Amino acid sequence: NAGVTQTPKFQVLKTGQSMTLQCAQDMNHNSMYWYRQDPGMGLRLIYYSASEGTTDKGEVPNGYNVSRLNKREFSLRLESAAPSQTSVYFCATTQGWAYEQYFGPGTRLTVT
Amino acid sequence: AQSVTQLDSQVPVFEEAPVELRCNYSSSVSVYLFWYVQYPNQGLQLLLKYLSGSTLVKGINGFEAEFNKSQTSFHLRKPSVHISDTAEYFCAVTKKGYQKVTFGIGTKLQVIP
Repeated sequence: NAGVTQTPKFQVLKTGQSMTLQCAQDMNHNSMYWYRQDPGMGLRLIYYSASEGTTDKGEVPNGYNVSRLNKREFSLRLESAAPSQTSVYFCATTQGWAYEQYFGPGTRLTVT
Repeated sequence: AQSVTQLDSQVPVFEEAPVELRCNYSSSVSVYLFWYVQYPNQGLQLLLKYLSGSTLVKGINGFEAEFNKSQTSFHLRKPSVHISDTAEYFCAVTKKGYQKVTFGIGTKLQVIP
């Protein structure tokens, strides 16, 4: 029972390159989230998906796209990476509005 | 709109001393409140949560928090800290029927031997 997994763990990109961050969960949760964590700014929501087939913007969606491929998987795509997107990215899941979120181990992304 | 304020960005404390990490929230409706802990190079994990009922909530690793509606606070406490408690702690808030959770900026707890 792996919980929430994220790939890759680390990535270095050049400005303008694209990449997709992958998230998968085996908890049978309906809702999935993508956050970014920056020093002194806490966690900020990028996009979320309340259920399979739905996605919605969070606080900082610009420069990102998402796909809820199925109930298990939720990917985050950077189409043209910028240095401002250097961050640690976390995927999280939850079963319902009032329940705790379960986090993956994170992806450390550096854009040069 | 909901928001969370963590008043201290860093809290140094000696081992075996008590600690309080402060959290204030802003919301016009009933809230659900959480504390998460993040150890270095890991994701966040839940320490405790307040949904309803008793205002004193006990969590893992000896932590507890008290929901104070009149002061809109949800401070985290531990009577005696250990070196292993060194981590970053995040307060978070959401509300009934709401999809999103709002996190504070975090408080780094440094336990000094």
